[in-house]
Amino acid sequence: QTVVTQEPSFSVSPGGTVTLTCGLSSGSVSTSYYPSWFQQTPGQAPRTLIYNTNIRSSGVPDRFSASILGNKAALTITGAQADDESDYYCVLYMGSGIRAFGGGTKLTVL
Amino acid sequence: EVQLLESGGGLVQPGGSLRLSCAASGFTFSSYAMSWVRQAPGKGLEWVSAIGTGGDTYSADSVKGRFTISRDNSKNTLYLQMNDLRAEDTAIYYCAKHPVAGNFDYWGQGTLVTVSS
Repeated sequence: QTVVTQEPSFSVSPGGTVTLTCGLSSGSVSTSYYPSWFQQTPGQAPRTLIYNTNIRSSGVPDRFSASILGNKAALTITGAQADDESDYYCVLYMGSGIRAFGGGTKLTVL
Repeated sequence: EVQLLESGGGLVQPGGSLRLSCAASGFTFSSYAMSWVRQAPGKGLEWVSAIGTGGDTYSADSVKGRFTISRDNSKNTLYLQMNDLRAEDTAIYYCAKHPVAGNFDYWGQGTLVTVSS
């Protein structure tokens, strides 16, 4: 069974740029997987940042952008701020109505 | 403004049943696919089930045969009927709206389901 992969953790300095990735244990991510990205802070519901590869959700600052980078989906945060410190999840459409989340990336801003 | 409000969570014994509801507003409910996503304590997000605009349904292997997703477009409400509940089903259950194509664009605040004797 194909697994969706994410970096377990990442660190970025305030004002810096970081790229988180979302891949497959077997194969390449493409726009056909409709990759989407979500931000979640402890005790809160997930918040959609990006859906369908690169469409920014309403109210999401343009510091957040996404694309396909090589064989993975990628979320880039530019000008990182303290309140970007969160868990970030991606989800892929695996076909036949099935979705699969990655394990999430814990982003630290320090 | 899109709003999704889950209800129906609570404490249930192993083997028991529970029905979750998600009341939707701020969009034409019948025109969009919907999903349930759960999160066990301290764990990541797990997609559970989806339902299309035509009533087609899809479920994760972990709940197939035990959970049933449905929708009532006249009431703008999404449901999740959960039977034969197990301890590992303990989680916060979120409903999520899909965009026209692809994955989730809006989320509810979640409802907690605890399966314990």
